[in-house]
Amino acid sequence: ETGVTQTPRHLVMGMTNKKSLKCEQHLGHNAMYWYKQSAKKPLELMFVYSLEERVENNSVPSRFSPECPNSSHLFLHLHTLQPEDSALYLCASSQDLTTVSLFGSGTRLTVV
Amino acid sequence: GQNIDQPTEMTATEGAIVQINCTYQTSGFNGLFWYQQHAGEAPTFLSYNVLDGLEEKGRFSSFLSRSKGYSYLLLKELQMKDSASYLCAVRVFSGTYKYIFGTGTRLKVLA
Repeated sequence: ETGVTQTPRHLVMGMTNKKSLKCEQHLGHNAMYWYKQSAKKPLELMFVYSLEERVENNSVPSRFSPECPNSSHLFLHLHTLQPEDSALYLCASSQDLTTVSLFGSGTRLTVV
Repeated sequence: GQNIDQPTEMTATEGAIVQINCTYQTSGFNGLFWYQQHAGEAPTFLSYNVLDGLEEKGRFSSFLSRSKGYSYLLLKELQMKDSASYLCAVRVFSGTYKYIFGTGTRLKVLA
């Protein structure tokens, strides 16, 4: 366990569903990240939050909506996803934007 | 653009030494990281280089040449548990920090 906890571990959802992924850390880290990991593709940075403010948004489709209510929690809200959105979604956190990130175990998402 | 290249797969024998290469073409280079990821698990941090040279940590070492845009991860005395994907990642700074990952190298260690 890295101290970064993601739930659920696995999620199957239909294209018309709305679901949320949750990430939690109590390490006192001030930066949190969402990454997408697809088979045979590089890890893609989706969103970065520092001190609860979004500092990076890498042209992610609006069907993915992040939320950072406090420095310990990060959510990824999903709606009207496509089958190609099926992937492993990884959350990470770091002390600040310059330090090493610790990753959670990920949520394996399947869109049917 | 920003690009990182590493071999897709490598195979080595238990007890041997293996070198996993990573080349990058980026602007605003601000450090290079290596992560290990076992199937179905979180990536875990292995090493960080920001200056040229070799960083050694037990059985693992990482080398960086900024002028060549090149790094390698050296694994000695391979063990079966070293079978995993190894991710090379570059941190760049252009107003803010960004992390760019390679596709990862899947290493299989054979008995």
